[in-house]
Amino acid sequence: GAGVSQTPSNKVTEKGKYVELRCDPISGHTALYWYRQSLGQGPEFLIYFQGTGAADDSGLPNDRFFAVRPEGSVSTLKIQRTERGDSAVYLCASSLIKNTEAFFGQGTRLTVV
Amino acid sequence: KQEVTQIPAALSVPEGENLVLNCSFTDSAIYNLQWFRQDPGKGLTSLLLIQSSQREQTSGRLNASLDKSSGRSTLYIAASQPGDSATYLCAPDQTGANNLFFGTGTRLTVIP
Repeated sequence: GAGVSQTPSNKVTEKGKYVELRCDPISGHTALYWYRQSLGQGPEFLIYFQGTGAADDSGLPNDRFFAVRPEGSVSTLKIQRTERGDSAVYLCASSLIKNTEAFFGQGTRLTVV
Repeated sequence: KQEVTQIPAALSVPEGENLVLNCSFTDSAIYNLQWFRQDPGKGLTSLLLIQSSQREQTSGRLNASLDKSSGRSTLYIAASQPGDSATYLCAPDQTGANNLFFGTGTRLTVIP
């Protein structure tokens, strides 16, 4: 596609529920990243995929967060037992290879009520 | 842990002015540094990427410089336009794999 696509654009969920956020990277990009941006802050790194494998998941805040990229293209960020503190904009980015320009999607705004 | 500071936090200038946005980072062991703009409620748009071996990069009216040893980068915008109004974020990359650390950005307003 023309750019990184994220769905849904907005998600409201109740505390304790499970959510999945989807990212479609730019076609041909081998590297994919998830970031989280809280209100008034810069984005914070969560996880980096090279192909199908998570090469760096050091930014995941706890074991409620998990991400997959089973075919090396689309990725899903999964959050279990959501908490109000998980409310943020979740941004996905991709790059052709690592150490090249990262292109970001428009984000998914998650609100946990 | 890398810390990124951007000064000023907000800047308002009349159209046509040249301006400089400043970024400082605490850990100089970086692979590259990227500058992004973010419009309200939107994702990030990449502006420039400077590799650690480079001193500057130019794209149109934008020029970014990097002084890795002193932990500083600047973004110069020439002949500012109202469409340049946005938040500008710098992000050094610690690992060469887009593990980017962001500051809180500079919110720029260009007044017509």
